[in-house]
Amino acid sequence: DQQVKQNSPSLSVQEGRISILNCDYTNSMFDYFLWYKKYPAEGPTFLISISSIKDKNEDGRFTVFLNKSAKHLSLHIVPSQPGDSAVYFCAASFSGSEKLVFGKGMKLTVNP
Amino acid sequence: ETGVTQTPRHLVMGMTNKKSLKCEQHLGHNAMYWYKQSAKKPLELMFVYSLEERVENNSVPSRFSPECPNSSHLFLHLHTLQPEDSALYLCASSQDYRRNTEAFFGQGTRLTVV
Repeated sequence: DQQVKQNSPSLSVQEGRISILNCDYTNSMFDYFLWYKKYPAEGPTFLISISSIKDKNEDGRFTVFLNKSAKHLSLHIVPSQPGDSAVYFCAASFSGSEKLVFGKGMKLTVNP
Repeated sequence: ETGVTQTPRHLVMGMTNKKSLKCEQHLGHNAMYWYKQSAKKPLELMFVYSLEERVENNSVPSRFSPECPNSSHLFLHLHTLQPEDSALYLCASSQDYRRNTEAFFGQGTRLTVV
């Protein structure tokens, strides 16, 4: 049973527009959420995180929104740039465990 | 440079071979992890070490044998693997196993079992 779901395998947007990547989770014990970005032939790199005590965290062009009642989080990238083209993984964990549960990933393509 | 280095980057091995994957972190972290990434599947956590002690083993077949000689180094010893074990193996480290912090990943070893 997948506890972290990224239901859309891919997304294509134009440069300068907003990219919205979605993630749903089923385990209500999760209280910390992370987004990772992965380029081909490289390991995932940490992008941004959010604790369950917040509903929004912003870092430059990247904003993560958390809706606990819906068990849903999203990553907004604005404006999108071609260098943002990568696979994005959503991950979740809960206090007392460093075990990150990952989604399958979503491929973002930003077209010039 | 992520501070987590994995070698080799690519490995092709036969089913009767014995090989080892190496991971080294220069971040002063206390926890290290092995993950497996197969095509179209979520990243799967295989092993967790905290302060050189194994704290999690997620039902991984015994043909995968981890070793953590110190907090900076992590190995994954492979023997009698199957073709379905072909995948990207990622090492990661984090500051503290018990706290919510991000994990830093190496570039991975692309393993092909023939």
